Amino acid sequence: AQSVTQLDSQVPVFEEAPVELRCNYSSSVSVYLFWYVQYPNQGLQLLLKYLSGSTLVESINGFEAEFNKSQTSFHLRKPSVHISDTAEYFCAVSDASGTYKYIFGTGTRLKVLA
Amino acid sequence: DAMVIQNPRYQVTQFGKPVTLSCSQTLNHNVMYWYQQKSSQAPKLLFHYYDKDFNNEADTPDNFQSRRPNTSFCFLDIRSPGLGDAAMYLCATSREGLASTDTQYFGPGTRLTVL
Repeated sequence: AQSVTQLDSQVPVFEEAPVELRCNYSSSVSVYLFWYVQYPNQGLQLLLKYLSGSTLVESINGFEAEFNKSQTSFHLRKPSVHISDTAEYFCAVSDASGTYKYIFGTGTRLKVLA
Repeated sequence: DAMVIQNPRYQVTQFGKPVTLSCSQTLNHNVMYWYQQKSSQAPKLLFHYYDKDFNNEADTPDNFQSRRPNTSFCFLDIRSPGLGDAAMYLCATSREGLASTDTQYFGPGTRLTVL
């Protein structure tokens, strides 16, 4: 069985500052990793995912995440945040051996301050 | 735009009164999922349909049922809502089979209040 831990429930940060949202997972098998973003009053949208290959993955809006197998982490980072990045961010894993299920973390609410 | 639509966005029901939440998709995806998300908790998978095949999670209460009359629509029925069923209910779809690499596409959710 897999589990996902997002230790920070809320992260306030000033505009144009860097941010890191932490995600750690536990699994006895290989996993795929995902970050989803949920803007206010909207559904979850895929931000980026790691399936294989380069451990650093990037999104189109400047976020990146790095898969670290030894530390079982998939932290999300952005060097300079904007007000529009205010949202809730969910980390999720799925079992690479073939099951379809996502196991989600409890989410981190990013609040970007002017 | 192709999308996942959930109606209503907000639903209020009374304790014990059956309620139905609906989800529709224009993506023509094979798989549809229902998640329950309580405040400050992770979304929890209740069940999914792979085409017409219904798959219940082992810990989903019997109080929750689902119907998928066609590819586009899926319904969540709560037969006798309790106060503990108040939550956000998320519908999601994925394109092909049940590959763990598949991206899931989510609707905006229905927030259920039980009085």
